[in-house]
Amino acid sequence: GNSVTQMEGPVTLSEEAFLTINCTYTATGYPSLFWYVQYPGEGLQLLLKATKADDKGSNKGFEATYRKETTSFHLEKGSVQVSDSAVYFCALKNQGGKLIFGQGTELSVKP
Amino acid sequence: DVKVTQSSRYLVKRTGEKVFLECVQDMDHENMFWYRQDPGLGLRLIYFSYDVKMKEKGDIPEGYSVSREKKERFSLILESASTNQTSMYLCASSPSWVGETQYFGPGTRLLVL
Repeated sequence: GNSVTQMEGPVTLSEEAFLTINCTYTATGYPSLFWYVQYPGEGLQLLLKATKADDKGSNKGFEATYRKETTSFHLEKGSVQVSDSAVYFCALKNQGGKLIFGQGTELSVKP
Repeated sequence: DVKVTQSSRYLVKRTGEKVFLECVQDMDHENMFWYRQDPGLGLRLIYFSYDVKMKEKGDIPEGYSVSREKKERFSLILESASTNQTSMYLCASSPSWVGETQYFGPGTRLLVL
């Protein structure tokens, strides 16, 4: 079946540190891949997406590359800010149109 | 901008009560979804709808029902609330084509006493 696995949190970083949040997936066919972000007290917002292999999604300094050979979609940012503190969800969308989420990774950035 | 609104941000109910959670979207999307979010479990799909009066069970439909009488509105119903339904409930909508994302509401935090 389809599934998404994310690295466990919480992840605590100092401001301006490099961020990687690992995400791997299992899927039949060719899913679309997404990163969502949830700021405290809010719903989920789309951060970036990639719809085919080798696509790179990017937004707000974050980026992730769809790697079919390693079934991965790791999220990276070169220099995190305190305002990036949030929960990050990796997700895939299969042929049936449903989103399947990872369990979420909490990021805390300290000044 | 797509807007998905949910009727309440916080709700407190008693065991056995019937609970209605309302969701409205303003982008004429065909698809609408209800999820619950619990720590360590991510988001789990309860029900979804791809058209008016149509509904499909998600991964955890037990104890819930839904109603979609109009395209813009999708209601989640807890027929007889139980304490294990205490959770954050998130509504989402999307257009019908496969590659498009879902847009989420702010969530309703439900406490069942």
